[in-house]
Amino acid sequence: DGGITQSPKYLFRKEGQNVTLSCEQNLNHDAMYWYRQDPGQGLRLIYYSQIVNDFQKGDIAEGYSVSREKKESFPLTVTSAQKNPTAFYLCASSIRGGQRINYGYTFGSGTRLTVV
Amino acid sequence: EDQVTQSPEALRLQEGESSSLNCSYTVSGLRGLFWYRQDPGKGPEFLFTLYSAGEEKEKERLKATLTKKESFLHITAPKPEDSATYLCAVQAILGGSYIPTFGRGTSLIVHP
Repeated sequence: DGGITQSPKYLFRKEGQNVTLSCEQNLNHDAMYWYRQDPGQGLRLIYYSQIVNDFQKGDIAEGYSVSREKKESFPLTVTSAQKNPTAFYLCASSIRGGQRINYGYTFGSGTRLTVV
Repeated sequence: EDQVTQSPEALRLQEGESSSLNCSYTVSGLRGLFWYRQDPGKGPEFLFTLYSAGEEKEKERLKATLTKKESFLHITAPKPEDSATYLCAVQAILGGSYIPTFGRGTSLIVHP
């Protein structure tokens, strides 16, 4: 079955450490997205990519970095510059923007990151 | 600035007690409104897409409707398994790309 796989499910980060969250999809979707979810805040967009080797900052990109070397993969690195990284991170994908999307955006199961 | 506001923030119902969740939006160039269900600790699960005012979609006990300024998610005779957070998102054009903006969600609890 096609879908999005996020790993790990739980991740612990020490102060000053960079960590990378994995996101892989086999839906043949062009566009991929990273969201951060905090209690009471809803989903906030970190980065998005509409095509391989291209990505754009979202509303809260500071302290994060991404790459899009393959269509299937869109890893997110949480750097030491992100001062409050504890949150639930969600990856999503869709067919490329500009086309009618009848089935919305497909989400992964999320990674919960905690600073220790 | 585009905004999506969901109300109420939380809703408690008795099993069988029908109600509605609201999603109001202010966007320029709306290109779709989505409803999702999210269970604790999991990713959102797609429910509906609405594109035009007057459009309606149904799935089991859920019915979504759309006007020019808001959408409603009607829950008819809910069951405890309908307990979840319901998220609304609108898709608008941002710098040539279609980007969804999410509301904060409505947490629904259905008591048996």
